[in-house]
Amino acid sequence: DQQVKQNSPSLSVQEGRISILNCDYTNSMFDYFLWYKKYPAEGPTFLISISSIKDKNEDGRFTVFLNKSAKHLSLHIVPSQPGDSAVYFCGGGGSNYKLTFGKGTLLTVNP
Amino acid sequence: DADVTQTPRNRITKTGKRIMLECSQTKGHDRMYWYRQDPGLGLRLIYYSFDVKDINKGEISDGYSVSRQAQAKFSLSLESAIPNQTALYFCATSDPGGADEHLGIYGYTFGSGTRLTVV
Repeated sequence: DQQVKQNSPSLSVQEGRISILNCDYTNSMFDYFLWYKKYPAEGPTFLISISSIKDKNEDGRFTVFLNKSAKHLSLHIVPSQPGDSAVYFCGGGGSNYKLTFGKGTLLTVNP
Repeated sequence: DADVTQTPRNRITKTGKRIMLECSQTKGHDRMYWYRQDPGLGLRLIYYSFDVKDINKGEISDGYSVSRQAQAKFSLSLESAIPNQTALYFCATSDPGGADEHLGIYGYTFGSGTRLTVV
């Protein structure tokens, strides 16, 4: 049972435009969600998080939106930059402090 | 120095061999995790440990074992490696006490990974 789903394996956008990465989840017990970014040959790095009691969290160019009724969250990157090209993992977690990740979405930002 | 260090970075081994992947951390976190990444499958949890005396299986623990030698060290072993264990392995730590404010209280810090190939 895949509790966190990232249905788009890849996304390509132009520099300066908005990137929207989507994530769906099935586990209603998740208390929080996080996005991680991963470059080749490096470990994932934390990007942004959101508590399940909020519907939006913003950090600079990155904003995460949470729609609990739809069990859906999205990461918006505005404006997109070539350095944002990476694999993005969505993760959900609960009181057991374990994170369950989606399969990842490869974002390519073209100059 | 990296906060979470994994050794080796790359390893090629033969089917049936025993291999150990090591992870050490300087963050002082109690909780440590081992994940593997496969193309198209994302990050999957193998084992996790919430303190030195606490070891738990993750979703794909078969064929693996772990040892938590100290708060700072968490090793993953493949007792008899098989080709479908070829993957990228990541160690991670977390601190629910919130010492890493930029991560929030639930974020992980990952190591740089070990690329394991079983031939």
